[in-house]
Amino acid sequence: GDSVTQMEGPVTLSEEAFLTINCTYTATGYPSLFWYVQYPGEGLQLLLKATKADDKGSNKGFEATYRKETTSFHLEKGSVQVSDSAVYFCALSSNTGNQFYFGTGTSLTVIP
Amino acid sequence: DTAVSQTPKYLVTQMGNDKSIKCEQNLGHDTMYWYKQDSKKFLKIMFSYNNKELIINETVPNRFSPKSPDKAHLNLHINSLELGDSAVYFCASSQHGAGGYNEQFFGPGTRLTVL
Repeated sequence: GDSVTQMEGPVTLSEEAFLTINCTYTATGYPSLFWYVQYPGEGLQLLLKATKADDKGSNKGFEATYRKETTSFHLEKGSVQVSDSAVYFCALSSNTGNQFYFGTGTSLTVIP
Repeated sequence: DTAVSQTPKYLVTQMGNDKSIKCEQNLGHDTMYWYKQDSKKFLKIMFSYNNKELIINETVPNRFSPKSPDKAHLNLHINSLELGDSAVYFCASSQHGAGGYNEQFFGPGTRLTVL
């Protein structure tokens, strides 16, 4: 069945460091891919998405490219800030069924 | 304007009690969901309703019963609460179901603590 695997955390970075959070997926058909962010004490918010191969989603300095050949959707940011500290979830929307699959979440802490 | 709202935000109760969590969305979406998030932040889907009809019902104890009076509301009733039910419960909604390209919008969560 469809699934999403993302790198385990927690991840701790210094301010202005480069961030990569890996996400790979397994799916039949052509899924849509998403990154959600959950700030402390809040619900999940959509960070960015990509609906077809080679699409790049971007928002707030974060980027992720839908790579069909490697079945990946890695999240990157060139220079993280303390305010980026949150839990990040990779997710997949299957277009062959009625399901939405979340990864296990990666906790990021950015220290000044 | 709050898109997806849940009440209450915090719920503390004794084992064995019955409680309800309410969810409302004003986005005009067709589909609503309940998720459970454990202490390790793992998110597990519990139920999904499309136009008031149950479409996803994952392996969840039958003490949990969702009710959708209309497509803007999806409430969660829990009978005979157990310690293991302690978690954060999130309501979410999306348009035309999860199949396809439609992102989900989440409520702020309800932190349930069973003593």
